[in-house]
Amino acid sequence: NAGVTQTPKFQVLKTGQSMTLQCAQDMNHEYMSWYRQDPGMGLRLIHYSVGAGITDQGEVPNGYNVSRSTTEDFPLRLLSAAPSQTSVYFCASSYGGKGNEQFFGPGTRLTVL
Amino acid sequence: KQEVTQIPAALSVPEGENLVLNCSFTDSAIYNLQWFRQDPGKGLTSLLLIQSSQREQTSGRLNASLDKSSGRSTLYIAASQPGDSATYLCAAGSSNTGKLIFGQGTTLQVKP
Repeated sequence: NAGVTQTPKFQVLKTGQSMTLQCAQDMNHEYMSWYRQDPGMGLRLIHYSVGAGITDQGEVPNGYNVSRSTTEDFPLRLLSAAPSQTSVYFCASSYGGKGNEQFFGPGTRLTVL
Repeated sequence: KQEVTQIPAALSVPEGENLVLNCSFTDSAIYNLQWFRQDPGKGLTSLLLIQSSQREQTSGRLNASLDKSSGRSTLYIAASQPGDSATYLCAAGSSNTGKLIFGQGTTLQVKP
């Protein structure tokens, strides 16, 4: 199993540009989520999904969109990037009911100029 | 609102010492408590998961305990090694939906 994969590893955007961060898992996990990690702020939940077709907001959802059309994929969209979105983004997945151990991807380091 | 705190923020110990990392949380109605390791520039690796009905979990030299009534969890590392140097994060799960609230982490340095 590849586990949780994320692409790209690094990305530089200009203010106002849009992009999609990709996340995929091959463990047939129901639950997937996106976090951002910032110095001094720790990891904070952006959006999460409890299954295909179901998404909900976390702590810091503004400026981000998500959708979950398949069990495997959970892309995160930045519609109009802002410097405040410079961060490291992590995707995670879990079985949910089975103890809910979270598995994390390697992260995407995003810089918005 | 759940808040998770980890103290100390940084810790430096000589190789071979046994050490304890602390994690406290404000809302005792947690679903589980998970400990992670993060190496610089890398993702998070799950170390131990304690469910709300459990008191502790062990994996090799690591032992994590959970005391919901006092809002505390500890990660005990026995016979520390330089390879244990990393940032250790604890996270409280408030439900079975995969939502975690993280502490800020403790950065551990084990000196040879």
